[in-house]
Amino acid sequence: QSALTQPASVSGSPGQSITISCTGTSSDVGSYNLVSWYQQHPGKAPKLMIYEGSKRPSGVSNRFSGSKSGNTASLTISGLQAEDEADYYCCSYAGSSPWVFGGGTKLTVL
Amino acid sequence: QVQLVQSGAEVKKPGASVKVSCKASGYTFTSYGISWVRQAPGQGLEWMGWISAYNGNTNYAQKLQGRVTMTTDTSTSTAYMELRSLRSDDTAVYYCARDSDYIAALDYWGQGTLVTVSS
Repeated sequence: QSALTQPASVSGSPGQSITISCTGTSSDVGSYNLVSWYQQHPGKAPKLMIYEGSKRPSGVSNRFSGSKSGNTASLTISGLQAEDEADYYCCSYAGSSPWVFGGGTKLTVL
Repeated sequence: QVQLVQSGAEVKKPGASVKVSCKASGYTFTSYGISWVRQAPGQGLEWMGWISAYNGNTNYAQKLQGRVTMTTDTSTSTAYMELRSLRSDDTAVYYCARDSDYIAALDYWGQGTLVTVSS
């Protein structure tokens, strides 16, 4: 199972919105509405931010939103804040080998 | 509150084995699975496999088949991941994560265990 494709880096200024894409195939992202997104600060464990494509766990800011179109999922962060600077990983259910991750995107808040 | 607490860092020689533990608390252990995910230095996340804490069923990533074994001890709410025939490219931080059927995601993560493979 190949990794999902994410941009290596994105950046934005405080208050702006950014979108991170996550491209898979018809065997993973395209077949299931089961994409999740994880935030990871340096030296820390990943934290679930979005599940089932667009749902937010309790406690996650509504500035984080998810969507999907075809084989590509997206994470949008609005009203960027300094604490949003982190690595972001998408993950999709992929059937028999359940979870496949993206390569990660480093978000820089300028 | 849900917590997953992992065992401490390990240093192993090539060819050796390592066993990492993950003690769960704050929820009914047998109602969820545990996935193991690793992250090599400066690299992304790699899913290694999954175990059902309910019945012990497992599903391993193809590239690790034959080298990895995942088990659970329901009496202590602890999951274990053993990796054998260690190589230098197994050097990574290993995470356990609660694998939730209810929301189809890895909703709680352990703090990570650094395994260093070096001669």
